[in-house]
Parts: sequence; structure tokens; C-alpha cells
Amino acid sequence: AQSVAQPEDQVNVAEGNPLTVKCTYSVSGNPYLFWYVQYPNRGLQFLLKYITGDNLVKGSYGFEAEFNKSQTSFHLKKPSALVSDSALYFCVLTGAGGYQKVTFGIGTKLQVIP
Amino acid sequence: DSGVTQTPKHLITATGQRVTLRCSPRSGDLSVYWYQQSLDQGLQFLIQYYNGEERAKGNILERFSAQQFPDLHSELNLSSLELGDSALYFCASSVDGGDNQPQHFGDGTRLSIL
Repeated sequence: AQSVAQPEDQVNVAEGNPLTVKCTYSVSGNPYLFWYVQYPNRGLQFLLKYITGDNLVKGSYGFEAEFNKSQTSFHLKKPSALVSDSALYFCVLTGAGGYQKVTFGIGTKLQVIP
Repeated sequence: DSGVTQTPKHLITATGQRVTLRCSPRSGDLSVYWYQQSLDQGLQFLIQYYNGEERAKGNILERFSAQQFPDLHSELNLSSLELGDSALYFCASSVDGGDNQPQHFGDGTRLSIL
């Protein structure tokens, strides 16, 4: 069965510092990996995806993610955090087929401190 | 604005009742997904439709059913409601339902069972 793990419930970072939100996955075959962001009382917004090719993927709002096959990780990063980045971030796995179809991590709450 | 419209935004009803949630996908998108978000279960994939046909099924209870109409809007029907069905229900759409496609989420319907 496929799975996604986001090991941190919450990440706190000071404004202007780099941020990392961690994600690891487990799947047989090649994964399709996504990051989404959710603001309070809103739906999820797509940030970026890894399908194939370059391991470093650039996305919206200055975010990027690094796919590491050997470590089965897909960590989300940003060089300089903004207070407006404070939100809930979800790592999502698709493409592995079978019953689960789309698998979400539990979400990581990012708090950027002014 | 994702372009995905969900109605109603809020729904309050009692145990044993039946409700219908409605979703209009983003213009041009042929595939619709339904998700349930609750505090204890996180985000769960329920079901996917593509151009009117069911494409994939996730953790959808037998008391729940969905359909996609010829105009591509979709409805999720929840019956014999239980307290545990209280959650935020999201609809998302994508261009062709491919696993490598990002999904565009509505802002959800918050269902409260009293």
C-alpha cells in the first residue's frame, strides 16, 4: 500500500529565515508527488508537482521542492519565509494506482513568526 | 479563485437525514473528485468521476453516493447521516483526471450533524 508521512505536526520559523516542510513516501513504482497549501476555511491550492525529470521542482509563491528517490523524500522549501506563508501544507501522492488513488499526508502547520 | 464552486457553504441537519452537496468544476475540466476532511481522519479521497463516468473509488461509505451529470457538475449524496459524518467536504476538478494533473479545489461544504 502507498503512504505519505509528514513527520512534523507544526513547523515554526522566523520571518526571513529559510523554511523546510518534510515529506516522505512509500510506494511501489514511480510516484507522482504534489504539495498543496490550505488557508483557514479555504480549499487546497496547488503549489508544485514532481512527475519526472529534474529533482528540484519550482512552484508558486517562491516555493520549491526536492525529490530524493534514495531517501523517498519530497521536502518543501523556501529560501525566505513570509508571515503570509503561515498555513497548513499537505504532501500528496498519486499515480500508484489501486484503491487509494490519492493519498494525503496529515498536513504540517507552518507558523512564520514576525 | 480556483474556479470550482461548491454549494451550500454550510449545512446543519440531524442524524438520520439525507443531504446533497453540489459541485461545479472549473471551466474545461472533465474530472471531479470528492474528499472528506475531518480532524480525526484528515483528508480522505472518496470518489472520482471523469466525463460522467465513475473512475475511481476511495474510502466512500455505502450510505454515500455521487454522480456527475452531462453538464459536468457533480453531486454527493449523504444518507442516514450519523454524528461522525460531520466534516468539511471538498470537491476538486482537473482537466482530464490524469494522476499527473494538479487538482483545483473548491472552498468546501461544512456539514454539521446535530
